[in-house]
Amino acid sequence: GNSVTQMEGPVTLSEEAFLTINCTYTATGYPSLFWYVQYPGEGLQLLLKATKADDKGSNKGFEATYRKETTSFHLEKGSVQVSDSAVYFCALSDQGGSYIPTFGRGTSLIVHP
Amino acid sequence: SAVISQKPSRDICQRGTSLTIQCQVDSQVTMMFWYRQQPGQSLTLIATANQGSEATYESGFVIDKFPISRPNLTFSTLTVSNMSPEDSSIYLCSVEVTGGAPSAGEQYFGPGTRLTVT
Repeated sequence: GNSVTQMEGPVTLSEEAFLTINCTYTATGYPSLFWYVQYPGEGLQLLLKATKADDKGSNKGFEATYRKETTSFHLEKGSVQVSDSAVYFCALSDQGGSYIPTFGRGTSLIVHP
Repeated sequence: SAVISQKPSRDICQRGTSLTIQCQVDSQVTMMFWYRQQPGQSLTLIATANQGSEATYESGFVIDKFPISRPNLTFSTLTVSNMSPEDSSIYLCSVEVTGGAPSAGEQYFGPGTRLTVT
């Protein structure tokens, strides 16, 4: 079956530091890959996505590249801000299946001024 | 895009009681989803609700414990019945993003209902 593995959190950084949150997946077929973000007290919202190998999704300074050879979709940002403090979820959707996404466990990011 | 609201936003309930959570969408959608998010955990899909048919429950979730209604294309309710402290979680509803294959798998989420059972 499908699965998503994320690095354990919390990830604690100082403002303007470089961020990487690792995500690897297992899936049959050719899934679409997503990063969702959940700010405190809110629901999840889509941050970025990639639908095929070598695609790069980007939004709000965050980037992730769909790497089929390493089955990875790591989230990166060059300079984090305090306002980026949130929980980040990696997810996949199997295009040949029901489209209902499979989520990782989430990684909490804490950015200090 | 879709805007989703949930009521209540949070509640504290006594064990043995039931709570009904409402989910309202600002546009008509075919499928609505209910998730549970336990503290420090990922999202677990409870069930998928289509208008005009019985909800489809995931393994480990049953209709007697989590009855769902879907009376129209913009509204759904989830009831958490005979609650115990283990039911303390955030409950989220979501809808699919429409737009064909490029949007497949994308979802819009409500803000969640934070439930504490004492």
